[in-house]
Amino acid sequence: GAGVSQSPSNKVTEKGKDVELRCDPISGHTALYWYRQSLGQGLEFLIYFQGNSAPDKSGLPSDRFSAERTGGSVSTLTIQRTQQEDSAVYLCASSLVYGYTEAFFGQGTRLTVV
Amino acid sequence: TQLLEQSPQFLSIQEGENLTVYCNSSSVFSSLQWYRQEPGEGPVLLVTVVTGGEVKKLKRLTFQFGDARKDSSLHITAAQPGDTGLYLCAGGTGGFKTIFGAGTRLFVKA
Repeated sequence: GAGVSQSPSNKVTEKGKDVELRCDPISGHTALYWYRQSLGQGLEFLIYFQGNSAPDKSGLPSDRFSAERTGGSVSTLTIQRTQQEDSAVYLCASSLVYGYTEAFFGQGTRLTVV
Repeated sequence: TQLLEQSPQFLSIQEGENLTVYCNSSSVFSSLQWYRQEPGEGPVLLVTVVTGGEVKKLKRLTFQFGDARKDSSLHITAAQPGDTGLYLCAGGTGGFKTIFGAGTRLFVKA
């Protein structure tokens, strides 16, 4: 696609429910990243993919968070048993090739846990 | 732990004024990027600097990478209301784990 696409744009969920956030990167980009941005804060790195592999999962806040990427394209970030502190904007970005650090971001998914 | 500290955290100025925001770290980065983020949108890349001492200009914006590649500055000349936004710096270490600062929130009043 022309840009990084994320869905949904907004998600309101009840505490304890599971949510799935989707990211469709720029076509041909092999690297994909997930970040979390809390209100008034910078970006917190969560996880990255090189192809379908996630070499570094150390940024995931807890074992309730997981992510996968299939076909070297679409990625899904899943949060199980959501908590109020999970409320944030979840940003996805992609970049062209391995080691290329310039990333292009989607518009984000605003998650609100009530 | 690598950290990027940005200052000031918040800046409110009048249209036409000049300003400089800073991005500092104790770590060396192979490259450093500046992004601007507007409300409800993802960050948009403004520039990448890779060489110590490098200066890049983008219209009224001037970006500088420190000689030791540990810090950077963004200078805006004659700020306009359209420059309003969150300015984020991000450091690359040659891998994928780009580190972001917390940002400088700029508000330019007409």
